[in-house]
Amino acid sequence: DAGVIQSPRHEVTEMGQEVTLRCKPISGHNSLFWYRQTMMRGLELLIYFNNNVPIDDSGMPEDRFSAKMPNASFSTLKIQPSEPRDSAVYFCASSRVGGLIYEGYTFGSGTRLTVV
Amino acid sequence: DQQVKQNSPSLSVQEGRISILNCDYTNSMFDYFLWYKKYPAEGPTFLISISSIKDKNEDGRFTVFLNKSAKHLSLHIVPSQPGDSAVYFCAATNFNKFYFGSGTKLNVKP
Repeated sequence: DAGVIQSPRHEVTEMGQEVTLRCKPISGHNSLFWYRQTMMRGLELLIYFNNNVPIDDSGMPEDRFSAKMPNASFSTLKIQPSEPRDSAVYFCASSRVGGLIYEGYTFGSGTRLTVV
Repeated sequence: DQQVKQNSPSLSVQEGRISILNCDYTNSMFDYFLWYKKYPAEGPTFLISISSIKDKNEDGRFTVFLNKSAKHLSLHIVPSQPGDSAVYFCAATNFNKFYFGSGTKLNVKP
């Protein structure tokens, strides 16, 4: 099992540009989560999906952020237009609903986004 | 409004001594608590968990304690090793939604 795969690992973009982060969850996992890590707020949940359906997007900071999960093996997080304050590490995680909850999530290695 | 708080951003401990990382939460409905460890340039990895019906769970050098009346949990690492140096996040969950603290950076000095 390759784990949760995120791409790209690093992204540097100019303010105003569109940024798309990608995630491939673990096969068989039916929940997918997008988190953002910052120094001030730690790990913040942005949105999560169950069976490809968005369940809770209350953590999405504003309309510039959108997320999709077109199928069970792929999800994207898009920021348009990007701003310097969006600079952070973005993590994707997956889990099985009804699985062994004490295992929690499996996280990807993250995408470090820098908006200049 | 952070429901899970880690008030110590960093902790430094000598190798061989005990490391104690603390976490407080506000929601009495949380039913499971977990600790994650994160190395630089990697995603967080699961370390240990505890159900709300227990007050202690031990796994080798790692023990998690839960005090429900105080809404407090702690992670004890004994003995601490330099390889334990990492950022530790506590998390709490209900209904498959996890809330994370802001993390504590542990430095274990040789």
